Amino acid sequence: AQTVTQSQPEMSVQEAETVTLSCTYDTSESNYYLFWYKQPPSRQMILVIRQEAYKQQNATENRFSVNFQKAAKSFSLKISDSQLGDTAMYFCAFMKNYGGSQGNLIFGKGTKLSVKP
Amino acid sequence: GAGVSQSPRYKVTKRGQDVTLRCDPISSHATLYWYQQALGQGPEFLTYFNYEAQPDKSGLPSDRFSAERPEGSISTLTIQRTEQRDSAMYRCASSRDRLQETQYFGPGTRLLVL
Repeated sequence: AQTVTQSQPEMSVQEAETVTLSCTYDTSESNYYLFWYKQPPSRQMILVIRQEAYKQQNATENRFSVNFQKAAKSFSLKISDSQLGDTAMYFCAFMKNYGGSQGNLIFGKGTKLSVKP
Repeated sequence: GAGVSQSPRYKVTKRGQDVTLRCDPISSHATLYWYQQALGQGPEFLTYFNYEAQPDKSGLPSDRFSAERPEGSISTLTIQRTEQRDSAMYRCASSRDRLQETQYFGPGTRLLVL
């Protein structure tokens, strides 16, 4: 069974600075996707970024980028130029790819990020 | 619709009562998922539908939980004889189909069982 571990329950960062959230996962699969979802105080679940395991290039979305280390099974999220609106719970998630058909999302327990003015 | 909607947003019920939660996915989406999110935890998979078919019920915690999607669009999740441990956020998500990896989440229904 796949597992996702987020070892940092809480983190804080000053506005405009950079922060990195950690995520490791355990799987024997070779085809899968990894995601970071954001859950602000409104408790919506918002997709931040995704990474296909077969791609070596790290995904980026504006101020958000990942460091994907497939051999180490590590998938960290870097937030640059942190903004107050980035304050949220961040969830790392894994999805198995069944030869084209997607599996279900498996989430970590989350990291609560506070951006301080 | 433009996004995934869920109703009610909040539900308070007494132990032993039945509750039904509703999910209205994005209109073009064939696949619909239900997740349960306990306080301080990440969402956990309950079940999913491809149109009206329900290929996987493996995440449903007990036979008190059931889900339907009779016409392949709106889905309901029913919890019979609710227990306090059922208190959680129930999230619905949809994707274009089982080939698409991106799931779009609704706002969730927060259930409190007293």
